[in-house]
Amino acid sequence: GAGVSQSPRYKVAKRGQDVALRCDPISGHVSLFWYQQALGQGPEFLTYFQNEAQLDKSGLPSDRFFAERPEGSVSTLKIQRTQQEDSAVYLCASSLVQRGTLHFGNGTRLTVT
Amino acid sequence: AQRVTQPEKLLSVFKGAPVELKCNYSYSGSPELFWYVQYSRQRLQLLLRHISRESIKGFTADLNKGETSFHLKKPFAQEEDSAMYYCALLSYNNNDMRFGAGTRLTVKP
Repeated sequence: GAGVSQSPRYKVAKRGQDVALRCDPISGHVSLFWYQQALGQGPEFLTYFQNEAQLDKSGLPSDRFFAERPEGSVSTLKIQRTQQEDSAVYLCASSLVQRGTLHFGNGTRLTVT
Repeated sequence: AQRVTQPEKLLSVFKGAPVELKCNYSYSGSPELFWYVQYSRQRLQLLLRHISRESIKGFTADLNKGETSFHLKKPFAQEEDSAMYYCALLSYNNNDMRFGAGTRLTVKP
């Protein structure tokens, strides 16, 4: 079956632009996570949804980062006024149940110039 | 706060040799530990979790609470084991999965 799908795969933004990254989780998965992975580092937790509720956003690095999952399926991570330090791979993962196995997408590589 | 440390960024072994990827964690409660793997041009995927006590692709990992370690081991490495390996910790009271920085394993022929 289809896995977690993320789009776009690559995004180049000029500093100061806003970007929106999309995640389509596996159908029926209630939990959805966003991670940020800088070069040479492991994934860093950003935020977590259970259905449409954002239960934890403690990892969002600043108020320029915003995530939503309005209908409990597709999620969008928005970054406003992008900065060079935002350059990273943004990973989305979903799980069928709370604390279940994470299924990752291929990620979106964001480069801010 | 929970933290996962993988002291080796790179590890290289010959085919057929034993391999051990180290993982240490700090967490005050009772953690749930995982190993995730990313093969070349593939997405990150679960390799094993300590509560299942399974052996996947010949890999095993034992949780040592005294040493706060969860090292990944395989007695005879294969070339197809070459990949990026991440140790991860899930705390008891939330869903915040924390990952280590990863170890790139290369198995030479």
